[in-house]
Amino acid sequence: GESVGLHLPTLSVQEGDNSIINCAYSNSASDYFIWYKQESGKGPQFIIDIRSNMDKRQGQRVTVLLNKTVKHLSLQIAATQPGDSAVYFCAGSQAGTALIFGKGTTLSVSS
Amino acid sequence: DAGVIQSPRHEVTEMGQEVTLRCKPISGHDYLFWYRQTMMRGLELLIYFNNNVPIDDSGMPEDRFSAKMPNASFSTLKIQPSEPRDSAVYFCASSFRINYGYTFGSGTRLTVV
Repeated sequence: GESVGLHLPTLSVQEGDNSIINCAYSNSASDYFIWYKQESGKGPQFIIDIRSNMDKRQGQRVTVLLNKTVKHLSLQIAATQPGDSAVYFCAGSQAGTALIFGKGTTLSVSS
Repeated sequence: DAGVIQSPRHEVTEMGQEVTLRCKPISGHDYLFWYRQTMMRGLELLIYFNNNVPIDDSGMPEDRFSAKMPNASFSTLKIQPSEPRDSAVYFCASSFRINYGYTFGSGTRLTVV
């Protein structure tokens, strides 16, 4: 099966800095990855996803990088804002299986 | 669309009581998932359905847990009897496909005393 883990449980940045949140996965057969943001008292919200046939995908202020060689995934947030403060989860799956989530990194943005 | 709707938002119950959590998925989504979130274990998949049929219930912790999906617009997760270690936030999510973004509900915070 899949296990997904985050490198750091917490990350503190200054407003305006770029944030990088890292994630490792164990199953080389995993072919779909996704990042979620969870604010206090709410359910996880979709940020961005990537399939294994890609190395990079960009959204609005966010970029996901996938390194299949070392089974590593990262989420980059440009010009981090106080509203980005939340818990961020990575998740992965292989064909036909449900998403397995990592434990989350808490991002704190100070102004 | 109102998104995935879960009820109740909060539930406090005494040990030994039956608890039923409810979920209404997004219309047209063929997949429905139940996850449990705790500080210690993070987000754990309990069970998921495809077209109302349970596909994988290997994450259901014990026989005290059961889930049903009688139709495409409703699912329940039942715990009987409940125990204090069942205290957690339970999320329901739905999706078009299994390897596609899941939309989560707001969760049910369950406290068993």
